[in-house]
Amino acid sequence: QLQLQESGPGLVKPSETLSLTCSVSGGSISSSNNYWGWIRQPPGKGLEWIVNRYYRGTTYYNPSLKSRVTISEDASKNQFSLKLSSVTAADTAVYYCATWSGSVSFDIWGRGTLVTVSS
Amino acid sequence: QTVVTQEPSFSVSPGGTVTLTCGLSSGSVSTNYYPSWYQQTPGQAPRTLIYSTNTRSSGVPDRFSGSILGNKAVLTITGAQADDESDYYCVLYMGSGIPVFGGGTKVTVL
Repeated sequence: QLQLQESGPGLVKPSETLSLTCSVSGGSISSSNNYWGWIRQPPGKGLEWIVNRYYRGTTYYNPSLKSRVTISEDASKNQFSLKLSSVTAADTAVYYCATWSGSVSFDIWGRGTLVTVSS
Repeated sequence: QTVVTQEPSFSVSPGGTVTLTCGLSSGSVSTNYYPSWYQQTPGQAPRTLIYSTNTRSSGVPDRFSGSILGNKAVLTITGAQADDESDYYCVLYMGSGIPVFGGGTKVTVL
């Protein structure tokens, strides 16, 4: 059974780049048929999809965030990563990594990690 | 830009039935949008309940069911229990790789 775990700095300064990693266990990101994705949730608010990527393949972006988002993977570490540039306080949120599967839904979720943007 | 709509809140009595809806600001929801539903309790990650309109994820009790009713996707909780008190989110697949979350519905069991 796949398990996902987010990690990264909990505090990022405005205008800097937020960087998070999702470590995958119980399966390989390079041989899975899943897309690997990121979703976020500002405090007290709803969920917002950020990006989905197939290993070394097609990437789909939320149009409102596309210009600031980079997603990549490291098969040797079985991890995939998110970078969000030029952050502001509005990017403060719990960030979740998740699989987007052939069932056309988010399937497996990480526990989430809170990132606060503040000077 | 298309908005996915959900009721902000709902209240249900223990043992009662509640139907949550997931619609579009413009147009009708059909199975082609592959509606999925997620449950989130405070401080926890979302949990997938339903995918592809009406398929329960592994381990989800059968008191949760999904369907299309009229022009919306619906999630029905039959025989609500205290631990069903959560936020519920729907996702509609817009095509071209784009999923969109609804704003979520807070369900209170009292």
